[in-house]
Amino acid sequence: AQSVTQLDSQVPVFEEAPVELRCNYSSSVSVYLFWYVQYPNQGLQLLLKYLSGSTLVKGINGFEAEFNKSQTSFHLRKPSVHISDTAEYFCAVSEGSGGGADGLTFGKGTHLIIQP
Amino acid sequence: ETGVTQSPTHLIKTRGQQVTLRCSSQSGHNTVSWYQQALGQGPQFIFQYYREEENGRGNFPPRFSGLQFPNYSSELNVNALELDDSALYLCASSLRVGRVYEQYFGPGTRLTVT
Repeated sequence: AQSVTQLDSQVPVFEEAPVELRCNYSSSVSVYLFWYVQYPNQGLQLLLKYLSGSTLVKGINGFEAEFNKSQTSFHLRKPSVHISDTAEYFCAVSEGSGGGADGLTFGKGTHLIIQP
Repeated sequence: ETGVTQSPTHLIKTRGQQVTLRCSSQSGHNTVSWYQQALGQGPQFIFQYYREEENGRGNFPPRFSGLQFPNYSSELNVNALELDDSALYLCASSLRVGRVYEQYFGPGTRLTVT
C-alpha cells in the first residue's frame, strides 16, 4: 500500500520569498503524483500532477514540482510567494489507474503561512 | 460548465442517527469518489462509484454506503453515527484523461456529530 509523508506541518515564509513544500511517498509500484491546494472553507483544487515523462512539472499559480524517483520525493516549489498563497497544501499519490478505483492517498497537509 | 456541488454545507447530527450527503458531478463526468477529511488531516478515500456501481473502497466500515444515480449525481449515507464521524466530507467527480482520473472536488459538507 502506498503512503505519503509531508515533512512540515507548517511553513512560514515572507512575501516574495521562495518556498519549498516537501513530500515523500512510498509505493512498491509506479505512481502518479499530485499536489492540491485547499483555501479556508473550500474544497481541493488541483495545482499540478506528475504522470510520466519530464520530472519537472509546472502547474497553476506559478507552482512547480520535481519528481525524484530515487529519493521517492515530489517537492513543491514557488520562486516568489504572495499573500494569496496562504492555504493548506496536500500531496497525493495514486497507483494503478491514477485516482480511479483505488482513490488517492493524501498526506496530512502543510499549512503555508505568508508573512508580510 | 458547472462544477461539483455538495449539499448541505453544514450539518449537525446526534450519535446513533443516520445522515445522507449529496453531490452533483461536474458535467460530463461519470465517476464520483467520496473522501472524509478529519480536522487537521488529509482526505481519506471512502469509495468510488462508476456507472451506478461501487468501483472501489477504502478502509471504511459498511455503515458508510453510497448511491450513484443515472444523471451521475451521488449520495453518501452514514448509519449509526459516531463522534469520530465528525469531519468534512468531500465529493470528487472524475474525468478520465488517458490512464489517469483527474478528480475535481466540491466544497464539502461539514458534519458535526454530538
